[in-house]
Amino acid sequence: KAGVTQTPRYLIKTRGQQVTLSCSPISGHRSVSWYQQTPGQGLQFLFEYFSETQRNKGNFPGRFSGRQFSNSRSEMNVSTLELGDSALYLCASATGPGQPQHFGDGTRLSIL
Amino acid sequence: AQSVTQLDSQVPVFEEAPVELRCNYSSSVSVYLFWYVQYPNQGLQLLLKYLSGSTLVKGINGFEAEFNKSQTSFHLRKPSVLISDTAEYFCAVSELRAGNMLTFGGGTRLMVKP
Repeated sequence: KAGVTQTPRYLIKTRGQQVTLSCSPISGHRSVSWYQQTPGQGLQFLFEYFSETQRNKGNFPGRFSGRQFSNSRSEMNVSTLELGDSALYLCASATGPGQPQHFGDGTRLSIL
Repeated sequence: AQSVTQLDSQVPVFEEAPVELRCNYSSSVSVYLFWYVQYPNQGLQLLLKYLSGSTLVKGINGFEAEFNKSQTSFHLRKPSVLISDTAEYFCAVSELRAGNMLTFGGGTRLMVKP
């Protein structure tokens, strides 16, 4: 069974640009969550989608958004990039609420 | 809101020695508890989980953890570590009926020395 796939693995952008990250969950998993990992703030929850609906949202500005498609694949978008958005963005999938989440290897976003 | 505290940011230990990584949490409702491991340039791998039932939970790679509700702790243990166990370990909680929103501790870097 294939794991969680995130694309791209690495991305370099400049301030003010926008970026879209993609996540393909494990087959059969309907819940997809996104996390930001930085050396200073650690791992922080961004949002969770289940059956195309956003169930939870973390404490991030509106520049961070996401969506989920009918095949459970998810994308997250960050607009008007800032230097502080440099981070490893992790996607995780689960069969449903309260179930263990399985993580992808992440997308490392660097803002110049 | 829940919070998670991992009391040690780094734990150095010699190969084949026992190790305990400490985790305490705070929550006003019942929680699920998890330990994840992260190797360099990789995502998080689930080591073990406590959802309900027996408070002693066994996971992969010889790790186990014990849920102590009165002390709100979920410490991770391994009786004999390997060099390959060197990694960052994260404790995480999610509240029942709160979907899959995980709150993570700050992480503990386990450094196994020969």
